[in-house]
Amino acid sequence: SQKIEQNSEALNIQEGKTATLTCNYTNYSPAYLQWYRQDPGRGPVFLLLIRENEKEKRKERLKVTFDTTLKQSLFHITASQPADSATYLCALVNNNDMRFGAGTRLTVKP
Amino acid sequence: DSGVTQTPKHLITATGQRVTLRCSPRSGDLSVYWYQQSLDQGLQFLIQYYNGEERAKGNILERFSAQQFPDLHSELNLSSLELGDSALYFCASSVLGVYTDTQYFGPGTRLTVL
Repeated sequence: SQKIEQNSEALNIQEGKTATLTCNYTNYSPAYLQWYRQDPGRGPVFLLLIRENEKEKRKERLKVTFDTTLKQSLFHITASQPADSATYLCALVNNNDMRFGAGTRLTVKP
Repeated sequence: DSGVTQTPKHLITATGQRVTLRCSPRSGDLSVYWYQQSLDQGLQFLIQYYNGEERAKGNILERFSAQQFPDLHSELNLSSLELGDSALYFCASSVLGVYTDTQYFGPGTRLTVL
């Protein structure tokens, strides 16, 4: 069956370091992969989209990679700040099917 | 503020009851999506409408139904409620309803079934 795994439930890092979050999937062939940020009690906020034929996408301090051979996406936040603390969700899309990972809760400590 | 509004913010009801959740998309967005988020299941796509027509269906139970009206607002109807239906229900909207669109999520409706 299709499975989406995000590396860990929680990730704690020091301010200024690079946070790296992982999204692995099995038995699925996404055409696109999206990353969202979600703060407690609020709706997800779209961050980045990467297509299957793209290796890397950047937006300010954010970088996403997509390796369809490894079936993995990495999401990096460079020069992390306490304000980056949130849950980050990956979402895989194929045709009209969209599936979310369980999310990784990132805490950036000052 | 995403521009998507959802009412009510909180809803407490009993098992077996029926409730209606309402969503108004961002101005200019033609597509509406409904999601359920619970602690054990994560964020699950339920259903999508585009300009009044159903476009895609996810893990939506038969007890649940939705529609999008001519003014583009949408309602999600949940009936014969069970304890397990307690969750956050999010509505999102996008311009064209394709998955390369950015989806803008509303603040959610927290449903508690007692």
